[in-house]
Amino acid sequence: EPEVTQTPSHQVTQMGQEVILRCVPISNHLYFYWYRQILGQKVEFLVSFYNNEISEKSEIFDDQFSVERPDGSNFTLKIRSTKLEDSAMYFCASSGGDLSPGELFFGEGSRLTVL
Amino acid sequence: RKEVEQDPGPFNVPEGATVAFNCTYSNSASQSFFWYRQDCRKEPKLLMSVYSSGNEDGRFTAQLNRASQYISLLIRDSKLSDSATYLCVVNGADSSYKLIFGSGTRLLVRP
Repeated sequence: EPEVTQTPSHQVTQMGQEVILRCVPISNHLYFYWYRQILGQKVEFLVSFYNNEISEKSEIFDDQFSVERPDGSNFTLKIRSTKLEDSAMYFCASSGGDLSPGELFFGEGSRLTVL
Repeated sequence: RKEVEQDPGPFNVPEGATVAFNCTYSNSASQSFFWYRQDCRKEPKLLMSVYSSGNEDGRFTAQLNRASQYISLLIRDSKLSDSATYLCVVNGADSSYKLIFGSGTRLLVRP
């Protein structure tokens, strides 16, 4: 069964450092997303990406965040200068054009710990 | 009012029981509705989409009441493997790309 893969599974970083989280969406999917979940809280939308550009972003997705699809297969989330409150599980997701955009396939997540 | 509101539970039921979860959403313009399942420290997984006419998938039945902005999930003949957190999800009314998740209802099925 095709799946969304994410690396790293866990990253520990110092406050102020840059972090890049990587995702390989399902190959024939057209829509890509990043969500995050702070421990014990709900899943929160960060950004959606379609046709090589951001289609929507949330208030959380400020100037410290950026996304990129550098090579047609990877989809990355960069946090430029991490803060303590960025500690969370970051989920990449994708959906296909023939599915409802809400029918997402999530990766297993990248746990980010900012010290 | 929260965008998507759910009873956090936990619901503690014996195997074989029928259990129902409810959810309300605040934006009447939302168009797409889903139930996702999330196991502890794992990613959310789509359980089922929810259609206006109601829909069933095996032991799971979902209902939508647009007038009351209310979504339900019924699980019949609960299995131990149904133990998880059930997330009510709606799309943001201004876009079909943004999903808004509820905080989830935790289900524990005991032997």
